[in-house]
Amino acid sequence: AQSVTQLGSHVSVSEGALVLLRCNYSSSVPPYLFWYVQYPNQGLQLLLKYTSAATLVKGINGFEAEFKKSETSFHLTKPSAHMSDAAEYFCAVKEGTGFQKLVFGTGTRLLVSP
Amino acid sequence: EAGVAQSPRYKIIEKRQSVAFWCNPISGHATLYWYQQILGQGPKLLIQFQNNGVVDDSQLPKDRFSAERLKGVDSTLKIQPAKLEDSAVYLCASSLEQGFYEQYFGPGTRLTVT
Repeated sequence: AQSVTQLGSHVSVSEGALVLLRCNYSSSVPPYLFWYVQYPNQGLQLLLKYTSAATLVKGINGFEAEFKKSETSFHLTKPSAHMSDAAEYFCAVKEGTGFQKLVFGTGTRLLVSP
Repeated sequence: EAGVAQSPRYKIIEKRQSVAFWCNPISGHATLYWYQQILGQGPKLLIQFQNNGVVDDSQLPKDRFSAERLKGVDSTLKIQPAKLEDSAVYLCASSLEQGFYEQYFGPGTRLTVT
C-alpha cells in the first residue's frame, strides 16, 4: 500500500518568510502526488499535482513542489508567506490501478505571524 | 459552475441515534467519494461510486454505515447506530471520472456524537 508522511503537525513562519512543508512518500510504483489546502470550515482545494512529467510543479497561490525520487520526497514551498496562507495542508498519493483513491497524510497546519 | 453541495453543515446527535448526510456533486461528474476526516488526521476514503455503482467500499464500516447514489447523481451517507468515535467531518468529493481527474471537495458535514 502506498502512503505519505508529513513531518511536523505545525509549522510557524513570519509573513514574508519562506514556507517549507515536508512530505515523504512510500510507493512501489511511480507515484502520483498531490498537495491540498484546507481553510477553516471548508473542503479541500487542490494546490498542485505531480504526474511524472516535470519534477518541479507549480501550483496556485505561488506554491510549488519538487519531486525527488532519490529522497522519496515531494516538499511544498513558497518563497514568501502571506497571512492568507494560514491553513491546513495535506499531501496525498494516488493508490490503485483499476480504480484509484487518494491516501492522505495527517496534515500540517501552517501558522503565519505578522 | 456550482461546487459540491453538502447538508447539513453541522449535526449533533447522541450515541446510538441515526444520522444521514446528503451530497450533490458537480453536474456531470460520474465519480463520487465520501471521506471521513477525524480531528487531527487526513481524510480517509469510506466509499467511492462510479455513476450509481460502488467501486470501493473497503474501508466503510458496513455494520453501521451505508451509502447510496440512486440515479447516479446525488448521494446519501447514513450511520445507524452512531458511536462516539464517529465524531468527524464527513467530506464529499466528485470528479469527472475515476481515473486521473481532480477531485473537487464539498465543505463537509461536522458530526458530533455525544
